[in-house]
Amino acid sequence: AQSVAQPEDQVNVAEGNPLTVKCTYSVSGNPYLFWYVQYPNRGLQFLLKYITGDNLVKGSYGFEAEFNKSQTSFHLKKPSALVSDSALYFCAVSGSSGSARQLTFGSGTQLTVLP
Amino acid sequence: GAGVSQTPSNKVTEKGKYVELRCDPISGHTALYWYRQSLGQGPEFLIYFQGTGAADDSGLPNDRFFAVRPEGSVSTLKIQRTERGDSAVYLCASSPSGGLMNTEAFFGQGTRLTVV
Repeated sequence: AQSVAQPEDQVNVAEGNPLTVKCTYSVSGNPYLFWYVQYPNRGLQFLLKYITGDNLVKGSYGFEAEFNKSQTSFHLKKPSALVSDSALYFCAVSGSSGSARQLTFGSGTQLTVLP
Repeated sequence: GAGVSQTPSNKVTEKGKYVELRCDPISGHTALYWYRQSLGQGPEFLIYFQGTGAADDSGLPNDRFFAVRPEGSVSTLKIQRTERGDSAVYLCASSPSGGLMNTEAFFGQGTRLTVV
């Protein structure tokens, strides 16, 4: 079985400061890892994914994430937060074999960027 | 439209009734997914279609839930004898092909189902 943990329900950060949203995962085989963002009254939007290769993945809106195999983590980061980044962020994992079509999501982290 | 469309956006039904939720995927996308998102939780996988066939229905919670995609495009999620615990946002997503290594899933805005 595959699973995702997002240990923080809420993250607050001041505008202009760096932000980190944490994610750890458990999966059989090599993981495919994803970050999605959900704004109020809008659908989930894809931010970035790690499939293979460079451990640092760059995505939309200046976000990036670092894959760490030894720590089974895939933390989302941004060097300088914007108020408009405030939203609900979901980490997701898919196994590279068998269940490569099924995403398992974490419970989400509400990011609030304070002006 | 350019995105995944789900109708209705909101549905209120009485306990025990039957409901149908519709999903129009992005044109040309062969893969279609249904997820359920309860309040304060992340989306939970229900079922995955590749074309017309359900390639993985392991997430359907019980036999009250059923989904079809008869022509490989529009899909309908059907819930019989609804229960209050079925209240959630039902999300649909599509992708150009099955397997998420080379593509991404595009999500609709969801149908909020409330069973009273």
